[in-house]
Amino acid sequence: DTGVSQDPRHKITKRGQNVTFRCDPISEHNRLYWYRQTLGQGPEFLTYFQNEAQLEKSRLLSDRFSAERPKGSFSTLEIQRTEQGDSAMYLCASSLARRGTDTQYFGPGTRLTVL
Amino acid sequence: AQKVTQAQTEISVVEKEDVTLDCVYETRDTTYYLFWYKQPPSGELVFLIRRNSFDEQNEISGRYSWNFQKSTSSFNFTITASQVVDSAVYFCALSEIDISSGSARQLTFGSGTQLTVLP
Repeated sequence: DTGVSQDPRHKITKRGQNVTFRCDPISEHNRLYWYRQTLGQGPEFLTYFQNEAQLEKSRLLSDRFSAERPKGSFSTLEIQRTEQGDSAMYLCASSLARRGTDTQYFGPGTRLTVL
Repeated sequence: AQKVTQAQTEISVVEKEDVTLDCVYETRDTTYYLFWYKQPPSGELVFLIRRNSFDEQNEISGRYSWNFQKSTSSFNFTITASQVVDSAVYFCALSEIDISSGSARQLTFGSGTQLTVLP
């Protein structure tokens, strides 16, 4: 059973550029979450999908951020016009939304550095 | 709003010592889930335990044990006979329960406790 994978693992970009990250969840999982983690802090929720529907977005998710999960499998998170404050680790997690089996399993993360 | 507080920012112990990591939470929900995750230097969050709010029975798994006390809103984690490999950041997290499915929703994390176990 393969775990959650994320690509790329590291991304360095210049301020104002657009970036896109990909997450591939555990195959049978119907829920997919995005979190952001800055240095010395716990992960903060950004958004989540159940199948292809985006069910909730955090206030942290500004208009420059957009996420998709077009076929209910992999997901992409795009950040437009990046700012230095976007530098963080972006974590993806997946779970099976069913009582007792809904633990979220995390991927290795994508570390974004905005110069 | 939910909140998780891990007051211990850093703890350092010598190998074989016992260590307890504290977690205090706030929620207006009567039912919820609590979690502990480990984040080793490699960076990937590793799931350790999940606890339902109506199950206050303490749990032991090898050298790990968890003490859940709803009356004090605490969910503490003890490592017995610590080892160097236990060195990591440990996060406590809280989740609401989705009414329709009974499943956990998004996690609210504490700020983590950096545990260093010295040889």
